[in-house]
Amino acid sequence: ILNVEQSPQSLHVQEGDSTNFTCSFPSSNFYALHWYRWETAKSPEALFVMTLNGDEKKKGRISATLNTKEGYSYLYIKGSQPEDSATYLCAFPAYGGATNKLIFGTGTLLAVQP
Amino acid sequence: DADVTQTPRNRITKTGKRIMLECSQTKGHDRMYWYRQDPGLGLRLIYYSFDVKDINKGEISDGYSVSRQAQAKFSLSLESAIPNQTALYFCATSAPGRPVETQYFGPGTRLLVL
Repeated sequence: ILNVEQSPQSLHVQEGDSTNFTCSFPSSNFYALHWYRWETAKSPEALFVMTLNGDEKKKGRISATLNTKEGYSYLYIKGSQPEDSATYLCAFPAYGGATNKLIFGTGTLLAVQP
Repeated sequence: DADVTQTPRNRITKTGKRIMLECSQTKGHDRMYWYRQDPGLGLRLIYYSFDVKDINKGEISDGYSVSRQAQAKFSLSLESAIPNQTALYFCATSAPGRPVETQYFGPGTRLLVL
């Protein structure tokens, strides 16, 4: 059974702080890694899809890196703002390359205090 | 208007009742999914459908059934609700993509079974 782990479970930072959190996944048979941002009472929203070792993706103040050999991805937020408060989920396609069947981590809940 | 909608957004029901959660999408995607989210756990796949004539069980299908009435509609039924089905339920859609397909989520239905 695949296991996708995220750490920390929750994070409280002050506005302006930069922060990062981790998603760990099985390093064998890597196909892709998804990052989603989920604000309470809203739909989880796709942030990044990462497929290549060493990939770095960026969207505004949020960026992500990928290390498929050691099985982890980091999500960075530079200069956190209150609107960044959300749960950040990562997801890994189920074994066998069935990219439509995703295994989700439990998420990192980020709270940014003004 | 949202691309993936779910009704109802909140529902309280009693043990033993039959209920249906509905999902509609305007994205034109063939693939649709139902997940449940419980505190401390990642999203878990209940059922998925690749087209109107295709229904597949996910990780946790026991106690649930689905109906794909049209390309745009995918309903989840709890035949006889029980308290441990209290959860947040998400519908998602996707289209085949290379190298990876992204899933697009609805806003969720929060279900409480008393």
